[in-house]
Amino acid sequence: EIVLTQSPTTMAASPGEKVTITCRASSSVSYMYWYQQKSGASPKPWIYETSKLASGVPDRFSGSGSGTSYSFTISSMETEDAATYYCHQWSSTPPTFGSGTKLEIK
Amino acid sequence: QVQLQQSGAELVKPGSSVKISCKASGYTFTSYDMHWIKQQPGNGLEWIGWIYPGNGNTKYNQKFNGKATLTADKSSSTAYMQLSSLTSEDSAVYFCARSGYYSSYIVPFAYWGQGTLVTVSS
Repeated sequence: EIVLTQSPTTMAASPGEKVTITCRASSSVSYMYWYQQKSGASPKPWIYETSKLASGVPDRFSGSGSGTSYSFTISSMETEDAATYYCHQWSSTPPTFGSGTKLEIK
Repeated sequence: QVQLQQSGAELVKPGSSVKISCKASGYTFTSYDMHWIKQQPGNGLEWIGWIYPGNGNTKYNQKFNGKATLTADKSSSTAYMQLSSLTSEDSAVYFCARSGYYSSYIVPFAYWGQGTLVTVSS
């Protein structure tokens, strides 16, 4: 199975700060998906097909990458962005997730 | 709108089995796959498998072969997952999830249930 390694595991950002999360795949994948999960809630699709924003996601979020290296960026951190973000691939079965990045507000 | 309503929390004894449910509404149940995903605290998300309610076909993550059994009842639009021979390693939140389309692009887990907490303890 494809292992997704996310970094950092945890981080804190101040309002207005730029945030970047990386996700490295053990083998090449066609697309990366990203999910947001807040405490006690179900994950929500956030970015699909590497760079497309899900409905309702603010445009301060973006995704990029190819092959085995992908990234997730918030251009300007806001309080409401505090959550855990997971990368996810389904280029091969079983689909797998990264271990998550817990993003806190400073 | 698509809704996935899961059954309530379960406290079960080691060695026993548990069956949790996911009732679907707002779409044609038999036309979409239903996935099950495990989340342990600090351990991220693991895909267990999926069932296609239209014909009952299933596919499992090899890791969960023999542990999870997926079924679906078309008459009630409900998907089920039975977990057997439970140990403390099975204590987790379990989600059902369905794929969806965003602007004609498929999103693997576009819709999620609220999760069912299973606690295995004597």
